[in-house]
Amino acid sequence: QAVVTQEPSLTVSPGGTVTLTCDSSTGTVTSGHYPYWFQQKPGQAPRTLIHDTSNKHSWTPARFSGSLLGGKAALTLSGAQPEDEAEYYCLLFYSGEGVFGGGTKLTVL
Amino acid sequence: EVQVVESGGGLVQPGGSLRLSCAASGFSVSSDFMIWVRQAPGKGLEWVSMIHNAAGTFYTDSVKGRFTISRDSSKNTIYLQMNSLRTEDTALYYCASRGTWGQGTLVTVSS
Repeated sequence: QAVVTQEPSLTVSPGGTVTLTCDSSTGTVTSGHYPYWFQQKPGQAPRTLIHDTSNKHSWTPARFSGSLLGGKAALTLSGAQPEDEAEYYCLLFYSGEGVFGGGTKLTVL
Repeated sequence: EVQVVESGGGLVQPGGSLRLSCAASGFSVSSDFMIWVRQAPGKGLEWVSMIHNAAGTFYTDSVKGRFTISRDSSKNTIYLQMNSLRTEDTALYYCASRGTWGQGTLVTVSS
């Protein structure tokens, strides 16, 4: 089964920009992996931010965007807010089977 | 209101069975896909299974042959039948659609 890798932790300053990435052990991440991004805060259920690479839900703040970057899926946060401090997970699909990354703990400091 | 509510978790001995339910409201469980995701205490998210309206059913390797996902459109509910449970299946089990997550139901496998 594929392994999906994310940065274990990142720090961003309030108002700053940070990019989280999602890498696949099988090679280049494409739109065919249908990348998803989720945000999870302590004690809460996950929340879907991005689906199918770059599509946002109605509740996704405009400061979050998804893309493919350098062979990986990417989540960019532009103008970080204190409430963005959370764990972020990506999910890739491989012929129907999903694999989560290990998560990125994002600190806004 | 669009939501999903999981139920059916509990304490079970190794080798036992449980059936989780995920009742949806505000949308149809048959219209797209639904997934089960689990999270062991203090750990990350693990994708468990998916039922897709066109593509069928899928499972992570560790549960193949033990877990079965199904759907009852008349009840707008999906299920996860879990057999031959192991201690490593202990986790909070979430049901989710493309954008909606439940609060999870806790499964504890212990003797």
